[in-house]
Amino acid sequence: AQSVAQPEDQVNVAEGNPLTVKCTYSVSGNPYLFWYVQYPNRGLQFLLKYITGDNLVKGSYGFEAEFNKSQTSFHLKKPSALVSDSALYFCAVRPINQAGTALIFGKGTTLSVSS
Amino acid sequence: EPEVTQTPSHQVTQMGQEVILRCVPISNHLYFYWYRQILGQKVEFLVSFYNNEISEKSEIFDDQFSVERPDGSNFTLKIRSTKLEDSAMYFCASTGENTEAFFGQGTRLTVV
Repeated sequence: AQSVAQPEDQVNVAEGNPLTVKCTYSVSGNPYLFWYVQYPNRGLQFLLKYITGDNLVKGSYGFEAEFNKSQTSFHLKKPSALVSDSALYFCAVRPINQAGTALIFGKGTTLSVSS
Repeated sequence: EPEVTQTPSHQVTQMGQEVILRCVPISNHLYFYWYRQILGQKVEFLVSFYNNEISEKSEIFDDQFSVERPDGSNFTLKIRSTKLEDSAMYFCASTGENTEAFFGQGTRLTVV
Protein backbone atom coordinates (compact mmCIF):
# COMPACT_ATOMS: atom_id res chain seq x y z
CA ALA A 1 0.00 0.00 0.00
CA GLN A 2 1.17 3.50 -0.73
CA SER A 3 1.96 5.47 2.40
CA VAL A 4 3.79 8.36 3.98
CA ALA A 5 5.51 8.03 7.34
CA GLN A 6 6.39 10.78 9.74
CA PRO A 7 8.07 8.82 12.52
CA GLU A 8 8.03 11.59 15.11
CA ASP A 9 4.80 12.81 16.69
CA GLN A 10 6.65 15.79 18.14
CA VAL A 11 9.94 17.57 17.58
CA ASN A 12 11.24 19.98 20.21
CA VAL A 13 14.01 22.47 19.44
CA ALA A 14 15.32 25.64 20.99
CA GLU A 15 15.04 28.89 19.09
CA GLY A 16 18.08 29.49 16.93
CA ASN A 17 18.93 25.81 16.62
CA PRO A 18 18.56 23.84 13.40
CA LEU A 19 15.48 21.69 13.00
CA THR A 20 14.64 18.57 11.03
CA VAL A 21 11.23 17.01 10.58
CA LYS A 22 11.46 13.56 9.05
CA CYS A 23 9.39 12.06 6.26
CA THR A 24 9.71 8.81 4.33
CA TYR A 25 7.39 7.49 1.69
CA SER A 26 6.42 4.29 0.01
CA VAL A 27 4.88 4.85 -3.39
CA SER A 28 5.43 3.44 -6.83
CA GLY A 29 7.06 5.45 -9.55
CA ASN A 30 8.35 8.98 -9.16
CA PRO A 31 6.09 10.91 -6.84
CA TYR A 32 5.76 14.60 -6.32
CA LEU A 33 6.58 15.49 -2.70
CA PHE A 34 5.19 18.31 -0.59
CA TRP A 35 5.36 19.86 2.84
CA TYR A 36 2.42 21.72 4.36
CA VAL A 37 2.13 23.57 7.67
CA GLN A 38 -0.97 23.97 9.79
CA TYR A 39 -1.30 26.59 12.51
CA PRO A 40 -3.99 26.11 15.18
CA ASN A 41 -7.53 26.33 13.80
CA ARG A 42 -6.23 27.14 10.34
CA GLY A 43 -6.03 25.43 6.98
CA LEU A 44 -3.02 23.84 5.38
CA GLN A 45 -0.43 26.20 3.98
CA PHE A 46 1.95 25.07 1.26
CA LEU A 47 5.64 25.27 2.18
CA LEU A 48 7.55 23.62 -0.63
CA LYS A 49 7.55 20.86 -3.20
CA TYR A 50 9.89 18.55 -5.05
CA ILE A 51 9.06 17.58 -8.60
CA THR A 52 12.39 17.04 -10.31
CA GLY A 53 15.88 18.49 -10.47
CA ASP A 54 18.01 19.61 -7.53
CA ASN A 55 17.50 17.37 -4.51
CA LEU A 56 17.52 20.36 -2.16
CA VAL A 57 14.44 22.50 -2.55
CA LYS A 58 13.83 25.81 -0.83
CA GLY A 59 10.45 27.05 0.26
CA SER A 60 8.61 29.59 2.33
CA TYR A 61 9.76 31.04 5.67
CA GLY A 62 13.35 29.78 5.26
CA PHE A 63 12.41 26.10 5.13
CA GLU A 64 14.09 23.64 2.82
CA ALA A 65 13.79 19.93 2.18
CA GLU A 66 16.13 17.31 0.86
CA PHE A 67 14.93 14.59 -1.44
CA ASN A 68 16.81 11.31 -1.14
CA LYS A 69 15.64 8.78 -3.68
CA SER A 70 17.65 5.83 -2.36
CA GLN A 71 16.26 6.33 1.15
CA THR A 72 12.83 7.42 -0.12
CA SER A 73 12.98 10.36 2.24
CA PHE A 74 12.03 14.02 2.07
CA HIS A 75 13.08 15.59 5.36
CA LEU A 76 12.13 19.17 6.16
CA LYS A 77 14.89 21.38 7.52
CA LYS A 78 15.56 24.89 8.71
CA PRO A 79 18.98 26.19 9.78
CA SER A 80 17.68 28.38 12.61
CA ALA A 81 14.28 27.77 14.21
CA LEU A 82 11.93 30.53 15.33
CA VAL A 83 9.27 30.34 18.02
CA SER A 84 6.76 31.29 15.33
CA ASP A 85 7.63 28.07 13.46
CA SER A 86 5.75 26.11 16.13
CA ALA A 87 2.95 24.34 14.27
CA LEU A 88 1.82 21.01 12.84
CA TYR A 89 3.75 19.90 9.76
CA PHE A 90 2.50 17.46 7.17
CA CYS A 91 4.47 15.65 4.52
CA ALA A 92 2.45 14.62 1.47
CA VAL A 93 3.04 12.79 -1.78
CA ARG A 94 1.22 12.62 -5.04
CA PRO A 95 1.84 9.03 -6.06
CA ILE A 96 1.35 9.27 -9.81
CA ASN A 97 2.85 11.85 -12.11
CA GLN A 98 -0.58 12.90 -13.25
CA ALA A 99 -2.27 16.13 -12.51
CA GLY A 100 -5.25 15.78 -10.26
CA THR A 101 -4.20 12.70 -8.35
CA ALA A 102 -5.03 13.02 -4.67
CA LEU A 103 -2.37 13.69 -2.09
CA ILE A 104 -1.46 11.10 0.52
CA PHE A 105 -0.59 12.72 3.83
CA GLY A 106 1.59 11.62 6.69
CA LYS A 107 0.09 11.75 10.18
CA GLY A 108 1.77 15.05 10.96
CA THR A 109 4.56 16.16 13.28
CA THR A 110 4.10 18.85 15.88
CA LEU A 111 7.07 21.20 15.97
CA SER A 112 7.58 23.04 19.22
CA VAL A 113 10.22 25.77 19.32
CA SER A 114 11.11 27.11 22.75
CA SER A 115 12.55 30.53 23.45
CA GLU B 1 -3.18 36.27 -3.94
CA PRO B 2 -5.91 33.85 -5.02
CA GLU B 3 -7.31 31.60 -2.34
CA VAL B 4 -9.78 28.84 -1.73
CA THR B 5 -12.69 29.97 0.42
CA GLN B 6 -14.99 27.77 2.48
CA THR B 7 -18.27 28.44 4.20
CA PRO B 8 -19.37 28.15 6.91
CA SER B 9 -16.32 28.14 9.15
CA HIS B 10 -18.22 26.17 11.77
CA GLN B 11 -21.38 24.07 11.41
CA VAL B 12 -23.22 22.38 14.24
CA THR B 13 -25.87 19.87 13.25
CA GLN B 14 -27.97 17.18 14.85
CA MET B 15 -27.30 13.57 14.08
CA GLY B 16 -29.31 12.42 11.08
CA GLN B 17 -29.54 15.87 9.52
CA GLU B 18 -28.20 16.79 6.11
CA VAL B 19 -25.38 19.30 5.80
CA ILE B 20 -23.87 21.03 2.82
CA LEU B 21 -20.37 22.40 3.00
CA ARG B 22 -19.44 24.99 0.44
CA CYS B 23 -16.20 25.88 -1.27
CA VAL B 24 -15.11 28.34 -3.92
CA PRO B 25 -11.93 27.00 -5.53
CA ILE B 26 -9.35 29.16 -7.26
CA SER B 27 -10.94 30.28 -10.49
CA ASN B 28 -8.56 28.84 -13.08
CA HIS B 29 -8.02 25.54 -11.29
CA LEU B 30 -9.25 22.31 -12.80
CA TYR B 31 -9.16 19.73 -10.02
CA PHE B 32 -11.11 19.94 -6.79
CA TYR B 33 -10.86 17.90 -3.64
CA TRP B 34 -12.39 17.33 -0.25
CA TYR B 35 -10.29 16.11 2.66
CA ARG B 36 -11.15 15.72 6.31
CA GLN B 37 -9.17 15.89 9.51
CA ILE B 38 -10.46 14.48 12.76
CA LEU B 39 -9.32 16.53 15.74
CA GLY B 40 -5.80 17.52 14.63
CA GLN B 41 -5.04 14.06 13.35
CA LYS B 42 -4.09 12.84 9.91
CA VAL B 43 -5.56 14.54 6.87
CA GLU B 44 -7.66 11.99 4.97
CA PHE B 45 -8.64 12.16 1.33
CA LEU B 46 -12.35 11.92 0.56
CA VAL B 47 -12.93 12.68 -3.09
CA SER B 48 -11.54 14.40 -6.16
CA PHE B 49 -13.54 16.03 -8.93
CA TYR B 50 -12.56 16.89 -12.47
CA ASN B 51 -14.50 17.84 -15.56
CA ASN B 52 -17.78 17.71 -13.66
CA GLU B 53 -17.41 14.22 -12.35
CA ILE B 54 -15.77 12.30 -9.55
CA SER B 55 -12.31 11.16 -10.63
CA GLU B 56 -11.26 9.39 -7.45
CA LYS B 57 -12.78 8.60 -4.07
CA SER B 58 -11.69 6.89 -0.87
CA GLU B 59 -13.47 4.21 1.12
CA ILE B 60 -14.62 6.96 3.49
CA PHE B 61 -16.70 8.51 0.72
CA ASP B 62 -19.70 6.22 0.94
CA ASP B 63 -23.29 6.68 -0.22
CA GLN B 64 -23.92 9.28 2.47
CA PHE B 65 -21.58 11.68 0.72
CA SER B 66 -22.00 13.50 -2.56
CA VAL B 67 -20.26 16.36 -4.34
CA GLU B 68 -21.47 18.85 -6.85
CA ARG B 69 -20.29 21.83 -8.81
CA PRO B 70 -23.65 23.47 -9.33
CA ASP B 71 -22.74 26.73 -11.00
CA GLY B 72 -19.16 26.70 -12.26
CA SER B 73 -17.73 28.42 -9.22
CA ASN B 74 -18.98 26.63 -6.10
CA PHE B 75 -17.95 23.11 -5.14
CA THR B 76 -20.10 21.49 -2.48
CA LEU B 77 -19.90 18.44 -0.23
CA LYS B 78 -23.20 17.06 1.02
CA ILE B 79 -23.58 14.62 3.86
CA ARG B 80 -27.10 13.20 3.72
CA SER B 81 -27.57 11.83 7.21
CA THR B 82 -24.83 12.90 9.55
CA LYS B 83 -23.36 10.60 12.17
CA LEU B 84 -21.40 11.51 15.28
CA GLU B 85 -18.24 10.19 13.65
CA ASP B 86 -18.61 12.68 10.82
CA SER B 87 -17.49 15.39 13.23
CA ALA B 88 -14.24 16.69 11.78
CA MET B 89 -12.59 19.57 10.00
CA TYR B 90 -13.39 19.41 6.30
CA PHE B 91 -10.95 20.98 3.87
CA CYS B 92 -11.56 21.87 0.28
CA ALA B 93 -8.58 22.10 -2.07
CA SER B 94 -7.95 22.86 -5.71
CA THR B 95 -5.05 22.49 -8.12
CA GLY B 96 -4.15 23.56 -11.60
CA GLU B 97 -2.52 21.33 -14.15
CA ASN B 98 0.76 20.89 -12.31
CA THR B 99 0.60 23.07 -9.26
CA GLU B 100 0.53 22.26 -5.60
CA ALA B 101 -2.83 21.95 -3.89
CA PHE B 102 -4.25 25.10 -2.34
CA PHE B 103 -6.40 24.49 0.70
CA GLY B 104 -9.22 26.47 2.20
CA GLN B 105 -9.40 27.39 5.88
CA GLY B 106 -11.73 24.50 6.57
CA THR B 107 -15.23 23.96 7.94
CA ARG B 108 -15.44 22.53 11.42
CA LEU B 109 -18.42 20.17 11.46
CA THR B 110 -19.78 19.19 14.84
CA VAL B 111 -22.50 16.54 14.94
CA VAL B 112 -24.43 16.38 18.20
